[in-house]
Amino acid sequence: QSALTQPPSASGSPGQSVTISCTGTSSDVGGYNYVSWYQQHPGKAPKLMIYEVSKRPSGVPDRFSGSKSGNMASLTVSGLQAEDEADYYCSSYAGSNNLGVFGTGTKVTVL
Amino acid sequence: QVQLVESGGGLVKPGGSLRLSCAASGFTFSDYYMSWIRQAPGKGLEWVSYISSSSSYTNYADSVKGRFTISRDNAKNSLYLQMNSLRAEDTAVYYCARDMSSTALIWAFDIWGQGTMVTVSS
Repeated sequence: QSALTQPPSASGSPGQSVTISCTGTSSDVGGYNYVSWYQQHPGKAPKLMIYEVSKRPSGVPDRFSGSKSGNMASLTVSGLQAEDEADYYCSSYAGSNNLGVFGTGTKVTVL
Repeated sequence: QVQLVESGGGLVKPGGSLRLSCAASGFTFSDYYMSWIRQAPGKGLEWVSYISSSSSYTNYADSVKGRFTISRDNAKNSLYLQMNSLRAEDTAVYYCARDMSSTALIWAFDIWGQGTMVTVSS
């Protein structure tokens, strides 16, 4: 199972928006609505930000939103804040044989 | 509070074995599907293995199939990963993680441990 493709980096100034893409195939992202997104600060465990494509867990600011079209999912961070600077990973269920895969990761920099 | 705590990591020679443990607290462990996910130094996340709430179903990434075995003891609120025939490429921080739904696998890991480092080197 190949990793989902994400851009290595993205950046924006405070208050701006940044969108991160996550490209898979019809066997993972395109085939299921089980796409999740994780934020990871250096030396810390990942934190769930979005699940089932566009749902936010309790406590995650509504500045974070997710969507999907075909084989590509996206995470948008609106109103960028300094604390949003982190690595972001997408992940998708890929069926009962392969189960799941993570994305290659995107480093978000707040300028 | 809801918590996962991994242990058992360390330095092991290629071909050796290691058993990781993950102690759960603050929630009904037996209700949830659990996974092991790893991260090599400076690299991205890689899902390793999964086990259903009652242990009836397990699955593994191709990279560890036949070498790693996941198990759980719901009476002890514990998750395990037995790692055999270890290779240099298995060097990583290993996290245990809970799938957030108590009714089905939805591939959303809402609770993570702090991770335990496994280094495979001679």
